[in-house]
Amino acid sequence: DAGVTQSPTHLIKTRGQQVTLRCSPKSGHDTVSWYQQALGQGPQFIFQYYEEEERQRGNFPDRFSGHQFPNYSSELNVNALLLGDSALYLCASSFRAGGSYNEQFFGPGTRLTVL
Amino acid sequence: RKEVEQDPGPFNVPEGATVAFNCTYSNSASQSFFWYRQDCRKEPKLLMSVYSSGNEDGRFTAQLNRASQYISLLIRDSKLSDSATYLCVVNSFGNAGNMLTFGGGTRLMVKP
Repeated sequence: DAGVTQSPTHLIKTRGQQVTLRCSPKSGHDTVSWYQQALGQGPQFIFQYYEEEERQRGNFPDRFSGHQFPNYSSELNVNALLLGDSALYLCASSFRAGGSYNEQFFGPGTRLTVL
Repeated sequence: RKEVEQDPGPFNVPEGATVAFNCTYSNSASQSFFWYRQDCRKEPKLLMSVYSSGNEDGRFTAQLNRASQYISLLIRDSKLSDSATYLCVVNSFGNAGNMLTFGGGTRLMVKP
């Protein structure tokens, strides 16, 4: 049973460019959350997708957007990249059962470097 | 003030030592609590949930004090393999979803 997978593993972009990161959830999971982890800090919540809609959002600008597909996979898009967007981007999947929230399993992350 | 605060460490301890980590959180509406472990350049992995009644898993004991908004993790008989960053995590439920809020992590280094 494959866990959470993310692609690409590493990415280098320049300021002002746009980037798309991808996530496939663990089998049986229907909810995907995205986090940004800067070096030496804990992960910060970006947003959560369920039933193809953004359900919860953290304190991130509109440059950060996402999408969830019918197969539950998800994309994170970041426009107009800034140097400060350099970080490890983590995807976490979970499933909802009867309205309760279950453990989030993290993927290995995509390391984004903005030059 | 950060929503979840931890001492960043590092805590340098010898094998076999007992070490304790503490964490405070500011959102009194937070509903569930966890400790995650993160190895260098890897993803976080759930170590254990934290309950008011205390929770023990082998050498690890976690405790929650809701009144003080304080969470602790105790590691007994430390092993070299316990060297990692320990993240205190608070789960909050919104109208339509939930979010994990992480502390900055406490780095533990266990030496032979």
